[in-house]
Formats: sequence, structure tokens, C-alpha cells
Amino acid sequence: GAVVSQHPSWVICKSGTSVKIECRSLDFQATTMFWYRQFPKQSLMLMATSNEGSKATYEQGVEKDKFLINHASLTLSTLTVTSAHPEDSSFYICSARIQYNEQFFGPGTRLTVL
Amino acid sequence: DAKTTQPTSMDCAEGRAANLPCNHSTISGNEYVYWYRQIHSQGPQYIIHGLKNNETNEMASLIITEDRKSSTLILPHATLRDTAVYYCIVRVIGQGAQKLVFGQGTRLTINP
Repeated sequence: GAVVSQHPSWVICKSGTSVKIECRSLDFQATTMFWYRQFPKQSLMLMATSNEGSKATYEQGVEKDKFLINHASLTLSTLTVTSAHPEDSSFYICSARIQYNEQFFGPGTRLTVL
Repeated sequence: DAKTTQPTSMDCAEGRAANLPCNHSTISGNEYVYWYRQIHSQGPQYIIHGLKNNETNEMASLIITEDRKSSTLILPHATLRDTAVYYCIVRVIGQGAQKLVFGQGTRLTINP
């Protein structure tokens, strides 16, 4: 149980385009989902926390207008990277949590912006 | 969250026990010690967690010192598939649960 999926697993896009990444909790309802970003050889950095039905809370330094997060249901959250640029190329990882219990991580999405 | 200190990297021979240390000298009484690992290009995987008693599951054992200022994750019979970055995190759980904040972790390499 407690499986989290992400789609796509990797994506290549042109500079200036927008990319949407989906995060789904497959066998449980997640009240809270988290989005992380990881650059090569670095640790995971928390970008934002989203609760179902409410606006996401962004970490300091993360542009909310650039990284749009939608958590419309208890099993789906989406991260849209708007007007992507090469510096946005990274490994994006989501995680999901039931109430105050454990967090389960997705497999990650590798974004490459040309 | 309290900060943790881990060695940057460690090596271990396949089949031997891998002992990964973590210092968390400023841990609060209600903070748990969590361990995750991340295999290359994958999402983090939960390993184990504990408050003050030693814990064991099918993946590993967690030894927490009596003063709770440090802990050791033990992989009893390391295999090549255990090569990963291991993260030690301290956090409050339950109501008021804190976000998971990852440090740099320990890059464990299992050698044949």
C-alpha cells in the first residue's frame, strides 16, 4: 500500500513552454502533498506544501507564479512549471501524507528544458 | 526541525553490516528520528523511525543513544542494492507534524 505515482517520469521541453507534472496517491487519500526539487548531486529542497482544496504554501524563494500547484482532489496534485527555462531543469519529486501520518514519495520526474 | 550531522560518504563491503551514524544533539523531547534513503534517480524511500527505544524492521535497525543526541542506522547484511544516499531527519509527528527537511545525507557505497 501507500503508493504514489508521478507522470511523466521524464519530459523534455523547449524554453518558454509550460510543463505539467501530476502526482497521484494510488491507494490512499492524501490530505497533504508536498513538492520537492533536486538538482544534480544536491539534496531535496522543499518547494511547497499543498492541502486539498486550499492554496499551496510556498517555501521562501520559490516563485508561486512560476510553479503553479493545484490540489483539486484527495488523490491528485499537479505542478505546472510556467515559461520554463534551462535553469528550471531538475528532478521534481512529490510526496503525499495522510493526516499527520507518514509521507510517501513518488518516483520523481526529470525535467529538461532546452 | 533540529539539525542533523552525517558523514558525507561511507564505504562498506557487500555482506557486511553498514553502520551509518547521525548526530542530532539539539533534538527535542517530542522529535522522532527518521531515516530515508534515495537510490540514484528515484524518490526517497522510508526506512525506519524511532523516538527513544531501539527499533528493527525488515530493512534495518535503529539504535538511539540514551541521551537521544545521536543514532545509528544498521543495515545488517549490505547488498549492492543498498548503495544510496541515506538521510537522517528529526521531526515532530502527529498533530503539528513538521515538514520533512532533507540535509545532505550520507552517500553509502557498497563494494563487491
